[in-house]
Amino acid sequence: AQTVTQSQPEMSVQEAETVTLSCTYDTSENNYYLFWYKQPPSRQMILVIRQEAYKQQNATENRFSVNFQKAAKSFSLKISDSQLGDTAMYFCAFMSYSGTYKYIFGTGTRLKVLA
Amino acid sequence: DTGVSQNPRHKITKRGQNVTFRCDPISEHNRLYWYRQTLGQGPEFLTYFQNEAQLEKSRLLSDRFSAERPKGSFSTLEIQRTEQGDSAMYLCASSPRQGQNSPLHFGNGTRLTVT
Repeated sequence: AQTVTQSQPEMSVQEAETVTLSCTYDTSENNYYLFWYKQPPSRQMILVIRQEAYKQQNATENRFSVNFQKAAKSFSLKISDSQLGDTAMYFCAFMSYSGTYKYIFGTGTRLKVLA
Repeated sequence: DTGVSQNPRHKITKRGQNVTFRCDPISEHNRLYWYRQTLGQGPEFLTYFQNEAQLEKSRLLSDRFSAERPKGSFSTLEIQRTEQGDSAMYLCASSPRQGQNSPLHFGNGTRLTVT
């Protein structure tokens, strides 16, 4: 069974600084995708960034980038130039498309951006 | 794109009562997921539909939980004989079939409180 682990329950960062959120996963699959989702307080979950496992190049979306280490099964999220609006819960998620397209989520990291 | 709609937003019920939640996915999305989220935790997979077919159901679910998607459009999640441990946010999400890495689009959730 696949598992996703986020070992940092809470983190904080000063506005305009850079922060990295960690995620590791366990799978025997070769065909999968990885995602980071953001859940602001009392608001719905939205996609931040996604990574195809077969691609070696790390995904980037504006201020958000990932460090994908397939052999180590690590998928960290880097947020550059942190903004107050980045305050949220961040969830790492795994989806294998050789199975039933089920998404497995980690327990989340609560990020607080400080003014 | 009107987004994923969930009703009701909040439900308070007494232990032992039955409750039913509804999810209307984005119209062209054929995959529909139900997740349960407790405070400070990540979404926990409950079940998944592709069109009207329920392809997977979590072993964590007891027989008190049932979900349907009769015409491959909206879905309902019913909980029979509710228990206090059922109190949680119930999230619905959908994704299109085209594009294996299509992300999940989440609704705002239904918050269930069992007294």
